Amino acid sequence: DAGVTQSPTHLIKTRGQQVTLRCSPKSGHDTVSWYQQALGQGPQFIFQYYEEEERQRGNFPDRFSGHQFPNYSSELNVNALLLGDSALYLCASSPDVNYGYTFGSGTRLTVV
Amino acid sequence: EDQVTQSPEALRLQEGESSSLNCSYTVSGLRGLFWYRQDPGKGPEFLFTLYSAGEEKEKERLKATLTKKESFLHITAPKPEDSATYLCAAYSGGSNYKLTFGKGTLLTVNP
Repeated sequence: DAGVTQSPTHLIKTRGQQVTLRCSPKSGHDTVSWYQQALGQGPQFIFQYYEEEERQRGNFPDRFSGHQFPNYSSELNVNALLLGDSALYLCASSPDVNYGYTFGSGTRLTVV
Repeated sequence: EDQVTQSPEALRLQEGESSSLNCSYTVSGLRGLFWYRQDPGKGPEFLFTLYSAGEEKEKERLKATLTKKESFLHITAPKPEDSATYLCAAYSGGSNYKLTFGKGTLLTVNP
């Protein structure tokens, strides 16, 4: 049984560009969350999607947007990239938040 | 706002030298306290969920405990393969679906 799958694994973008990251949740999981993890820091909550709607959003600017598809997969879009957006972006899925989240291996984004 | 603080930031042990990692939390109505292990460049790997004060869970050389203000991850007779960053995260439930993470403890176990 495949876990949470994220693509791409690594990405290098130029400041000002736009990027799309993708996530396929674990089978049976319908809730997808996105986290940003800077080097040496804990993951920070970006937003969560459930039933194709953004259910909760963290303290991130509107440059960060997302989408969830009918098959529960999800995308994270970041516009007008800044150097400070360089981080590991993690996708996490769950069948019920009370049981915790399964994380993917992440996408390492480098903005130059 | 929910807050989670982990200590120490880094811990270096000799193989077989037992120790504990601390996770202090300030959460309104804790619904769950999660421990994850993270290897460099990888996503967090789930270890334990604790739901109520007094609860304990064990897995191999790891044991997690929970009080009303903090959680401990006890590592007994660690091996070099236990080297990783250990993250704890709090979940308060209700209309709050996010996990609030601490910064983690980087554990290094020397042979």
